[in-house]
Amino acid sequence: GAVVSQHPSRVICKSGTSVKIECRSLDFQATTMFWYRQFPKQSLMLMATSNEGSKATYEQGVEKDKFLINHASLTLSTLTVTSAHPEDSSFYICSAGGQGEAGANVLTFGAGSRLTVL
Amino acid sequence: GQNIDQPTEMTATEGAIVQINCTYQTSGFNGLFWYQQHAGEAPTFLSYNVLDGLEEKGRFSSFLSRSKGYSYLLLKELQMKDSASYLCAVRDGHYQLIWGAGTKLIIKP
Repeated sequence: GAVVSQHPSRVICKSGTSVKIECRSLDFQATTMFWYRQFPKQSLMLMATSNEGSKATYEQGVEKDKFLINHASLTLSTLTVTSAHPEDSSFYICSAGGQGEAGANVLTFGAGSRLTVL
Repeated sequence: GQNIDQPTEMTATEGAIVQINCTYQTSGFNGLFWYQQHAGEAPTFLSYNVLDGLEEKGRFSSFLSRSKGYSYLLLKELQMKDSASYLCAVRDGHYQLIWGAGTKLIIKP
């Protein structure tokens, strides 16, 4: 089945530094990828939709200059958290519309990246 | 506004049956999904309903009533590994996914 690889799985950084998270579709091409964040005991919150070859579409309230998204190829999207602060500590998950039942709209998720900003 | 409601937490016994309900109010409807999420991991797809009725897949079944804005996920022969959060998500008229907050299911021996 469709596989989405995400790394790093865990990252700890100092406040003020930037962190890049990569998301790759391994056996299919993903023209669109989605970036979510999830705080403890809460549901997924869509941050942005990443479109290959064009600018990402950000959800209301998400700072595009802080959360830089690049989707340079059909298999790779990256999220860079710039000048990270402790309040950015969260679980970041990418996903892509994959193959399988329910058509092309079943999301396949990466394993997630837990970011801790000290 | 759009919202999805599901219980915050449920407890069940190993070997038993549990039903997790989900009600939704969205602008349009293009399918309902159930995902399973173990603590600290990403969600994994369980089921998809777009027409009314029951979809059965092994120990898990999902039901949908579009007129009532209602779905449930039924888990049979519960196993300890079924302890997880179960997320209900609805694709609205604009094909945007609206997520519920998830139901944490605790299985006791």
